[in-house]
Amino acid sequence: QSVLTQPPSASGTPGQRVTISCSGSSSSIGRNTVNWYQQFPGTAPKLLIYSSDHRPSGVPDRFSGSKSGTSASLAISGLQSEDEADYFCATWHGSLNAWVFGGGTKVTVL
Amino acid sequence: QVLLVQSGAEVKKPGASVTVSCKASGYTFTMYAMHWVRQAPGQGLEWMGWIHGGNGNTKYAQKFQGRVTITRDTFANTGYLELNSLRAEDTAVYYCARDLGRLEDLGPSVENWFDPWGQGTRVTVAS
Repeated sequence: QSVLTQPPSASGTPGQRVTISCSGSSSSIGRNTVNWYQQFPGTAPKLLIYSSDHRPSGVPDRFSGSKSGTSASLAISGLQSEDEADYFCATWHGSLNAWVFGGGTKVTVL
Repeated sequence: QVLLVQSGAEVKKPGASVTVSCKASGYTFTMYAMHWVRQAPGQGLEWMGWIHGGNGNTKYAQKFQGRVTITRDTFANTGYLELNSLRAEDTAVYYCARDLGRLEDLGPSVENWFDPWGQGTRVTVAS
């Protein structure tokens, strides 16, 4: 059971917009920024969004992040087949004194 | 180009110890912290701890306190994760990742992020 809650799966057709939620608490997302990581099968995670809504250079602008209260979201607009991957949110949990991750959301392009 | 290259796969018996290394290149090792994160088969990510590349300060997740040791060799630009008293539940892929953001003497800011990640080291614990 992960400390941050994500839906296990999400899907869309090419060109659609898909949104992934990440729910935390006042001790986690409520107090700290959120990062998102993308992971393809058999490979290491890759930074996708940092500080809740910042994109590293090289990440397409169809990926965007937001945070409100104790929840965060990752949106993929103009979904493409190469976006099929697992997506994890992460933040610092002040009460647990640890970095915590969501359970991951598998995005499927139909 | 910033790169983290980890050591190869390991197979260990229950009760044994394992050490995983992570060699960094492309940046000044002592100016960043390094995290260790693991991922059990088909599962999510679990943070284990970090080490300050400069002063060697460490912080561990409570779950692993007493069983994990993270060290670094600044001459070799390499971080190490040692996990003791292995059990079947420790079977996982272990990743190192550079901490990016503000780094103070006490450690990295909790507002930081992990980038890049090593390629991962598979550790299998089986009798």
